[in-house]
Amino acid sequence: AQKITQTQPGMFVQEKEAVTLDCTYDTSDPSYGLFWYKQPSSGEMIFLIYQGSYDQQNATEGRYSLNFQKARKSANLVISASQLGDSAMYFCAMREGRVRDDKIIFGKGTRLHILP
Amino acid sequence: NAGVMQNPRHLVRRRGQEARLRCSPMKGHSHVYWYRQLPEEGLKFMVYLQKENIIDESGMPKERFSAEFPKEGPSILRIQQVVRGDSAAYFCASSPPELAGQQYYNEQFFGPGTRLTVL
Repeated sequence: AQKITQTQPGMFVQEKEAVTLDCTYDTSDPSYGLFWYKQPSSGEMIFLIYQGSYDQQNATEGRYSLNFQKARKSANLVISASQLGDSAMYFCAMREGRVRDDKIIFGKGTRLHILP
Repeated sequence: NAGVMQNPRHLVRRRGQEARLRCSPMKGHSHVYWYRQLPEEGLKFMVYLQKENIIDESGMPKERFSAEFPKEGPSILRIQQVVRGDSAAYFCASSPPELAGQQYYNEQFFGPGTRLTVL
């Protein structure tokens, strides 16, 4: 079974609009962490935001926020006021378990295109 | 403080040759992870190492692939007798040692990747 599911292979959004990138996850472990990474065309992986399973509030980092709905196992990324530079692949990822050194499991990604 | 360094950035090999990919973690980091990204896919975990120890190699192919992280020097991912299916981007990530009192958080800092092309 897929641990991380990103159902949108590609999205086109007008500049300055808000964007929501979907992510659902599957785990039976009560302790886990959720990540979003951005991969521009240059190829590097850029960490955006992190949400711990026990965090009471949704994580926010500048224009990025994570809409964490634990009961639905959903961790959507919201980008406010999108910019042309936001065009990239976006990966949702999860680390399971209490051991901090556990590997990160990635989804297949969503390619976001911001239109001028 | 330099980030995670990987070299080479691009590597071309013919079928049957060996590929050696290097990763220097961030200063002070003692944990190294290797991931592979096939075209149009997400990253897949391969192996997790600490200095001189392989901690988790559950994602490594059973044959031809090996990894090490010696006491001195970079971590090396070695692919022997490469095949076309090994063509991918290989990313290294590092994280610092856990410190007493530090908030539990597993941010892994990624290098720029090595793009391997097998002809």
